[in-house]
Amino acid sequence: DVKVTQSSRYLVKRTGEKVFLECVQDMDHENMFWYRQDPGLGLRLIYFSYDVKMKEKGDIPEGYSVSREKKERFSLILESASTNQTSMYLCASKGGPGSNEQFFGPGTRLTVL
Amino acid sequence: GQNIDQPTEMTATEGAIVQINCTYQTSGFNGLFWYQQHAGEAPTFLSYNVLDGLEEKGRFSSFLSRSKGYSYLLLKELQMKDSASYLCAVKFGNQGGKLIFGQGTELSVKP
Repeated sequence: DVKVTQSSRYLVKRTGEKVFLECVQDMDHENMFWYRQDPGLGLRLIYFSYDVKMKEKGDIPEGYSVSREKKERFSLILESASTNQTSMYLCASKGGPGSNEQFFGPGTRLTVL
Repeated sequence: GQNIDQPTEMTATEGAIVQINCTYQTSGFNGLFWYQQHAGEAPTFLSYNVLDGLEEKGRFSSFLSRSKGYSYLLLKELQMKDSASYLCAVKFGNQGGKLIFGQGTELSVKP
C-alpha cells in the first residue's frame, strides 16, 4: 500500500514563527502536492513538485515556500506564520504520467495564535 | 476560471440511492476524480472518468458528460458509514497531475 505520512497531526504556533511541515511518501512517486483545506473553500493547491528540486506554484502560494531535496520528501515552509494560515494542510503524491490517483496523507491541523 | 460546483450538503436515508452532481468549465478538461473524505481523515480515491459514460465499482458509480461539463457520483444501498464529504476534482491540461477541487458535498445518511 502507498503510504504518505506527515510529521504532525496537530501543531500550534505563534504569529511570526517559522513553521515546517514535512511529508514523506514511500512509493517512489515523482509528483508531490501541498494543499490547504478550509470550510466552504475545499482543497486549494499551494505548491507542487514534479521532480527533485523542481517546484511549481499552485493557486495560493503567497506566504509559503517548499523544498524537495529528496524524491520521497516534500516540505512546506511558512516563513512567518500568520493567523490566516490556520488551516488543515494535506500532502499528496502521485506516480508518473501513466498514473492518475493522488494519495493523501492524514493531514496536519495547524493553529496559529 | 476553472470553477468546480457541487452542492454543499445532502441528506439521504439508509438503504436509499443518492446522486451527487458536479459541474465544471469544459475548457482544457483532462479527467475527473471523485474522492471520499471522512471527518478528520485523508481523502481516499473513489473513481476516475476521462471518457463519457458510466463507471461502476460496487455500490458506487460515476458518470461523465464532457460536452455538458457534468459528472455525478451515484451511491446505492446507502450505509451509515457512507456519511462523509465527497470531493469532485478536475484535471485541466497536462500540468503534472494538478487538480482543481470543488468545495465538497457533505452527505449525511440517516437511519
